[in-house]
Amino acid sequence: QSVLTQSPSASGTPGQRVTISCSGSTSNVGSNAVNWYQHLPGTAPKVLSYSNNQRPSGVPDRFSGSKSGTSASLAISGLQSEDEADYYCAAWDDSLNAVVFGGGTKLTVL
Amino acid sequence: QVQLVQSGAEVKKPGASVKVSCKASGYTFTGYNMNWVRQAPGQGLEWMGRINFNTGVTKYAQRFQGRVTMTRDTTITTAYMELSWLRSDDTAVYYCATNAGGYCTSTSCYTYWGQGTLVTVSS
Repeated sequence: QSVLTQSPSASGTPGQRVTISCSGSTSNVGSNAVNWYQHLPGTAPKVLSYSNNQRPSGVPDRFSGSKSGTSASLAISGLQSEDEADYYCAAWDDSLNAVVFGGGTKLTVL
Repeated sequence: QVQLVQSGAEVKKPGASVKVSCKASGYTFTGYNMNWVRQAPGQGLEWMGRINFNTGVTKYAQRFQGRVTMTRDTTITTAYMELSWLRSDDTAVYYCATNAGGYCTSTSCYTYWGQGTLVTVSS
């Protein structure tokens, strides 16, 4: 059971907009920066959004992170087949004194 | 450019220990933490802990306390993660990861990752 809660799966058709959510608590999402990773099989995770809503250079502006209270979201617009991957949120937890990840959301592009 | 190169796959028996290395290059190593994250088959990412490359100070996730030891050798810019008393559920891909002066500013943001090391625990 992950400290940060994500829906196990999400799906959309090419061109659609999909939102992946991450629910936490005041000790993690509510008080620390949230980062989002894309993880493709056999590769290392890649940062898509950091510090709640910042996008690294090179990441398409189709990806956008946001945070409100103890929840965070990653929106993907103009869905493409290559977006099919696992997505994870991560944050520091002040109570656990540890980094916590969400359980991951598997995105399928139909 | 920043590179993290990990040691190769390992097969261990239950109760044994494994030591995974992570050779860093392309940045000022002593300024940053090296984190270790694992992913078991069919499971999500799990943070195991970190070591400050400069001071050697470590912080471990509670569930690994007593079983994990993270060290570093600054002379060869290599970090190590040793996990002891291996169980079958320790079978996973183990990654080293750091922010190494990149855009990341929070403790859960890692710009650079190693390629991963598969550790298989089987009798």
